[in-house]
Amino acid sequence: RKEVEQDPGPFNVPEGATVAFNCTYSNSASQSFFWYRQDCRKEPKLLMSVYSSGNEDGRFTAQLNRASQYISLLIRDSKLSDSATYLCVVGPDYKLSFGAGTTVTVRA
Amino acid sequence: DGGITQSPKYLFRKEGQNVTLSCEQNLNHDAMYWYRQDPGQGLRLIYYSQIVNDFQKGDIAEGYSVSREKKESFPLTVTSAQKNPTAFYLCASRWADQNTGELFFGEGSRLTVL
Repeated sequence: RKEVEQDPGPFNVPEGATVAFNCTYSNSASQSFFWYRQDCRKEPKLLMSVYSSGNEDGRFTAQLNRASQYISLLIRDSKLSDSATYLCVVGPDYKLSFGAGTTVTVRA
Repeated sequence: DGGITQSPKYLFRKEGQNVTLSCEQNLNHDAMYWYRQDPGQGLRLIYYSQIVNDFQKGDIAEGYSVSREKKESFPLTVTSAQKNPTAFYLCASRWADQNTGELFFGEGSRLTVL
């Protein structure tokens, strides 16, 4: 079983729509949770950290469910510029594991 | 400006040749990492280093070597023993004493073996 698994998508949504997707992890000792965004042929960039109580950053909301071992990302009011691959990153400490990414395409 | 610099950005090599990818950071981060990304796949950890003069193998270390002689620098050598070296290589760093801290990435090096 992979340490981190994501639905690869693609999620193809119209502008203004809400899109949400999850990421499951296998190591129950994980303490670090992040969502990164990666544009085509570029390096990943931090979108947001995920905290136990859940957190929001503008149109983006991240949740952590330790009991079921998954994190989620919700994007409200999608913009064309949100089109990217979203990587889930999870780790117990220094060794972070990456999911393969969920591709989101926002269409006009 | 602080950041991570990888070079070269693009590299072409013949099969059987060793190549070294450079990674330099001026963020004063203790921990540095090398990842490999193949199309449609997540990042896979090659090597990481928590402190100068010390490093550990990641999940796919075979065919690679690293050194960490200076805090700022963590070069990766792709040896001829690496069977499928063509990939996108990413270097990253973070604070070692903040295990929940984010990873900062360089822009990556795209290696193509002909």
